[in-house]
Amino acid sequence: QITLKESGPTLVKPTQTLTLTCTFSGFSLSTNGVGVGWIRQPPGKALEWLALIYWNDDKRYSPSLKSRFIITKDTSKNQVVLTMTNMDPVDTATYYCAHESSISPRYFDSWGQGTLVTVSS
Amino acid sequence: DIQMTQSPSSLSASVGDRVTITCRASQSISSYLNWYQQKPGKAPKLLIYVASSLQSGVPSRFSGSGSGTDFTLTISSLQPEDFATYYCQQSYTIPRTFGQGTKVEIK
Repeated sequence: QITLKESGPTLVKPTQTLTLTCTFSGFSLSTNGVGVGWIRQPPGKALEWLALIYWNDDKRYSPSLKSRFIITKDTSKNQVVLTMTNMDPVDTATYYCAHESSISPRYFDSWGQGTLVTVSS
Repeated sequence: DIQMTQSPSSLSASVGDRVTITCRASQSISSYLNWYQQKPGKAPKLLIYVASSLQSGVPSRFSGSGSGTDFTLTISSLQPEDFATYYCQQSYTIPRTFGQGTKVEIK
């Protein structure tokens, strides 16, 4: 059974850096094909894909946010970390991490519960 | 980026109704289209992948069809637990993109 859980601060100030951790179990990020993604959802709005990291350390980002994001993995700890710089109130959202299926076709088949991050002074 | 457009944005339906939601991609995505259900305060849940494959454990009243640019999600007989928001998502390329969602409400 795959489980994922997001953790990090619930409140950050504008211009600060946000670090979110996704801790997972039931799979290994060293297994061929496996990916973990981050998706966010502002209150009352749609889902927005942010970033993906794969078993081979291939990293992909949303083009519109790429300059502010860094995604990393710690395979030994079963964790994926998303770092977002220069936070703004428009970044207020619930942030989800999700497991992406290891072979094509790709889909997000397991999701964390999400963590609400508020950006406010 | 591939844009995903869902219609309608919301709909009202009664228990037992047949409901159809459409999703259109801005370019061909073959069959790389997934559908998710999200209930308030909960994470999205995968319903359908590669356009028409039912995820394990999902009731058979849910079905998907389409290829290329036009896709549909159908609920054959709406149940009380199906009132939720539904999202399509393309996995043809990166960046992955989601539709804006369709909220299914009780009539």
